[in-house]
Amino acid sequence: AQSVTQLGSHVSVSEGALVLLRCNYSSSVPPYLFWYVQYPNQGLQLLLKYTTGATLVKGINGFEAEFKKSETSFHLTKPSAHMSDAAEYFCAVSRGSGGYQKVTFGTGTKLQVIP
Amino acid sequence: DSGVTQTPKHLITATGQRVTLRCSPRSGDLSVYWYQQSLDQGLQFLIQYYNGEERAKGNILERFSAQQFPDLHSELNLSSLELGDSALYFCASSPYGDTQYFGPGTRLTVL
Repeated sequence: AQSVTQLGSHVSVSEGALVLLRCNYSSSVPPYLFWYVQYPNQGLQLLLKYTTGATLVKGINGFEAEFKKSETSFHLTKPSAHMSDAAEYFCAVSRGSGGYQKVTFGTGTKLQVIP
Repeated sequence: DSGVTQTPKHLITATGQRVTLRCSPRSGDLSVYWYQQSLDQGLQFLIQYYNGEERAKGNILERFSAQQFPDLHSELNLSSLELGDSALYFCASSPYGDTQYFGPGTRLTVL
């Protein structure tokens, strides 16, 4: 079975400060890993994903995440927070192939950016 | 705009009633997923269809059912509605089963 743990349901940072959202996963096979963002009253949208290859993945809006197999982690970072980054962030893991991938989402982390 | 459409955007109904939520996936996407999002339970996976066939089930109640039609659109049927069914219902589609593209959601309010 696969699972995702997001540490901290709420994270507050000051505008301009480093953003670090933590995600740990468990999977019996090499996983695909994702970060999604949800702005208020909207659906989720993909920020970035790791499938294979380079372990440092860059996404939209200046976010990046690093896949660390030894730590089973896929933490999301951004060097400098903007007010517009305030949203809920979901980490997800999937395994399988083709149309049969099972995707498991974490419980989400709400990011508050303080001016 | 993800390319996934959901109708209606808002739905207000009474307890005991039945409603149908509709989802049109992105052109060419064979997989459709349904999720429920509420304040107390977060994002919950309900069910997945792939090219018309059910592929995975999550925390879907027996009062809920879904199907995917030959044109790949999907419907989620919710019956004998209870106050606790009030939530945002999202549909997502996927081309290869990894990246999911989410629709804007249907907000269901049960009074």
